[in-house]
Amino acid sequence: QKEVEQDPGPLSVPEGAIVSLNCTYSNSAFQYFMWYRQYSRKGPELLMYTYSSGNKEDGRFTAQVDKSSKYISLFIRDSQPSDSATYLCAMRGVAGGTSYGKLTFGQGTILTVHP
Amino acid sequence: DSGVTQTPKHLITATGQRVTLRCSPRSGDLSVYWYQQSLDQGLQFLIHYYNGEERAKGNILERFSAQQFPDLHSELNLSSLELGDSALYFCASSVAPGQRNTEAFFGQGTRLTVV
Repeated sequence: QKEVEQDPGPLSVPEGAIVSLNCTYSNSAFQYFMWYRQYSRKGPELLMYTYSSGNKEDGRFTAQVDKSSKYISLFIRDSQPSDSATYLCAMRGVAGGTSYGKLTFGQGTILTVHP
Repeated sequence: DSGVTQTPKHLITATGQRVTLRCSPRSGDLSVYWYQQSLDQGLQFLIHYYNGEERAKGNILERFSAQQFPDLHSELNLSSLELGDSALYFCASSVAPGQRNTEAFFGQGTRLTVV
């Protein structure tokens, strides 16, 4: 079983829809949670970063972390065709822990927002 | 543009050969991470260097090695190449290993094709 599970989709939604992307994980050492966006054949781009449990909002994007359930989410409001990309969740532990200095990624969810 | 520069962008080589991938981190970043992205395995952490020293290893094959030089650029050496080594190789950099608010920023990757 993988440490981080993410539904690969693909997910197709109409423009303006609310998109929900999710990951579950098994390693309790993970403390930092990130969402990256990757356009085709490009490098992953950091979208959101959250420490421990809670919510974080940035424009149309909201990241949620529920450590008790080992579950993280990314919500995209008013989705746009330019949001079409692969979304990767990533997580890591604190310095000195067993997951020191490295990110563990989910498989990525392919999202298409059609006009 | 993340500020992380990778060369070359594309590389085609034959089985059994050796190649070197190069990464220049963002200005001021001390940490360099190497990742491999393949269709079946997703983004996998290979190795982490901080200020010239190896800090963490992931599932890196013995045929692969890396180093970080005094000017902080890094090279990933892949030898005795096999067809299965064909993948996207990403370099990422951050300021300090595993510290809060110093997340990794990725380069555009090197696409390696082994024929």
